[in-house]
Amino acid sequence: DTGVSQNPRHKITKRGQNVTFRCDPISEHNRLYWYRQTLGQGPEFLTYFQNEAQLEKSRLLSDRFSAERPKGSFSTLEIQRTEQGDSAMYLCASSLANDRGGYTFGSGTRLTVV
Amino acid sequence: AQSVTQPDIHITVSEGASLELRCNYSYGATPYLFWYVQSPGQGLQLLLKYFSGDTLVQGIKGFEAEFKRSQSSFNLRKPSVHWSDAAEYFCAVGSGNTGKLIFGQGTTLQVKP
Repeated sequence: DTGVSQNPRHKITKRGQNVTFRCDPISEHNRLYWYRQTLGQGPEFLTYFQNEAQLEKSRLLSDRFSAERPKGSFSTLEIQRTEQGDSAMYLCASSLANDRGGYTFGSGTRLTVV
Repeated sequence: AQSVTQPDIHITVSEGASLELRCNYSYGATPYLFWYVQSPGQGLQLLLKYFSGDTLVQGIKGFEAEFKRSQSSFNLRKPSVHWSDAAEYFCAVGSGNTGKLIFGQGTTLQVKP
């Protein structure tokens, strides 16, 4: 078990560009969550998957954001036409369904939009 | 609406001293409660969780927390702090079914030698 892996660790992009982040969860975990964390704040929920099904999306997740989890394994989070306000740490976490919030988090992807 | 309040943004304690970090929650039903720790530049690590039963829960790294329904609190404690405990601590409340969490703003712990 290598934990939850997120790539890249850091991403600097120009405003208006598209970016994609990847999360590889713990293999036996059927739930996968995405959170966003800005400086000095706690993580905010974005979306989650149970297996390959995306079951809930936050209103924070505008039309420019999309997430997928094909085949219920790794997940990707794409941001189109990035804005400076998208600059944040994007955290992925995984768990079993009965863990009820007891996650294993990845180290995150820090996005800077310039 | 669910919410979590961590009243102390920043706390400084001396190494070896005791620690208590405060957490108050707002939730309509029996909450699922969590404490996570985040070291600089890292993801969050689960310290402990409360679902039901004994209101005093033990976690990793010598931490414990007590659920007090009457006070809507879930304070984190440690009898003797080590320099390696310096980090940011987050309290969170969950609804259970989805596993979705609402996090507090966090408390930054500084440990003086």
